[in-house]
Amino acid sequence: QQPVQSPQAVILREGEDAVINCSSSKALYSVHWYRQKHGEAPVFLMILLKGGEQKGHEKISASFNEKKQQSSLYLTASQLSYSGTYFCGTEAPPVGAGSYQLTFGKGTKLSVIP
Amino acid sequence: DSGVTQTPKHLITATGQRVTLRCSPRSGDLSVYWYQQSLDQGLQFLIQYYNGEERAKGNILERFSAQQFPDLHSELNLSSLELGDSALYFCASSIRGGIQETQYFGPGTRLLVL
Repeated sequence: QQPVQSPQAVILREGEDAVINCSSSKALYSVHWYRQKHGEAPVFLMILLKGGEQKGHEKISASFNEKKQQSSLYLTASQLSYSGTYFCGTEAPPVGAGSYQLTFGKGTKLSVIP
Repeated sequence: DSGVTQTPKHLITATGQRVTLRCSPRSGDLSVYWYQQSLDQGLQFLIQYYNGEERAKGNILERFSAQQFPDLHSELNLSSLELGDSALYFCASSIRGGIQETQYFGPGTRLLVL
């Protein structure tokens, strides 16, 4: 089942902060965050494992609350280069004889303007 | 540059035709994943291979098939093409294809069915 991302889109001025949320109805092994610029491949940002660890990447960090099955991506002091669509991908235990998959949300479009 | 290569970059074909998309994983990666990305569906997982064997299947149509060869490159075959198959097709790779592993995406093949 596809995780739900919010907001769907956000416009920021350079230097402003943003939070992107990702929620799942399933218990999760991990949450993966990617950024995709228009016409390009998704680029890996970070992976969050069970344990609620908060990770950082430049001025982008994320948290994972496994009890709530939620993850949040924090972008601080945004730069023009942060523009793009952010996707969360969730890994959940397979159902029955099924196999594990990475299921992506529909994405959050972030636009940073001067 | 993720190290994953895909060919061709663009493909234009007609309904009813068959095409083959090719992917070479990062050096050392044994697992390959195929995704379809359309405007309204986001990134949809199609199928995963690990060291030549199918490991997981997602929303892959019966008209589509894939395989991974001994040199670990993979091909995705799309047949009886329909207008709705127009999309970006991404290949990703990871080391062992297990849980909590990072997937690195190739640049994609843009397919247009006319």
